[in-house]
Amino acid sequence: NAGVMQNPRHLVRRRGQEARLRCSPVKGHSHVYWYRQLPEEGLKFMVYLQKENIIDESGMPKERFSAEFPKEGPSILRIQQVVRGDSAAYFCASSPRQGISGNTIYFGEGSWLTVV
Amino acid sequence: SQQGEEDPQALSIQEGENATMNCSYKTSINNLQWYRQNSGRGLVHLILIRSNEREKHSGRLRVTLDTSKKSSSLLITASRAADTASYFCATEQGGSEKLVFGKGTKLTVNP
Repeated sequence: NAGVMQNPRHLVRRRGQEARLRCSPVKGHSHVYWYRQLPEEGLKFMVYLQKENIIDESGMPKERFSAEFPKEGPSILRIQQVVRGDSAAYFCASSPRQGISGNTIYFGEGSWLTVV
Repeated sequence: SQQGEEDPQALSIQEGENATMNCSYKTSINNLQWYRQNSGRGLVHLILIRSNEREKHSGRLRVTLDTSKKSSSLLITASRAADTASYFCATEQGGSEKLVFGKGTKLTVNP
């Protein structure tokens, strides 16, 4: 997990609150991916971003979820009005260039969201 | 949609034995990758095999790919207790930037 930093590592929110998850990619990487892992499941793609652009958000729920990767600062995954079903581990990954064909992407340690 | 499906879902073996995990997928791929995840941790990339490759080795790992059967296997030889983890296959499909993961095989290596 060469340098992808995610925080917080663990987050507890009450139903209806907002959750903000941050991801700093490997230095020099300009491509960020967010994945969600439900308990006992594999990872599911949510969104792919480059600096200031959302490239593919086909895996994002239509409501309450948003993501950004500003010119400066970390990528943010924001979940508004959380519900219990949002409880999961959220993983960020980064890569140095467009396209991941044969390109190893680096995953962070994840942010584990619990909604109570 | 979920692409890779690993089997078995869970595997328990003794230290020193070999562990074999299988992965099947549904559509054509550019490459297939195997990842390892320790409980409560992130994913660690193990090995990538391209669609034009049939077999690849890395240390105690051996991966095979059969594109005609749309399947792959991961063999861990001479397993150690430290190999205890979940193992996921992930496929990268043409024209897509996303990896599609299976549900994983939970491997337990008993000392």
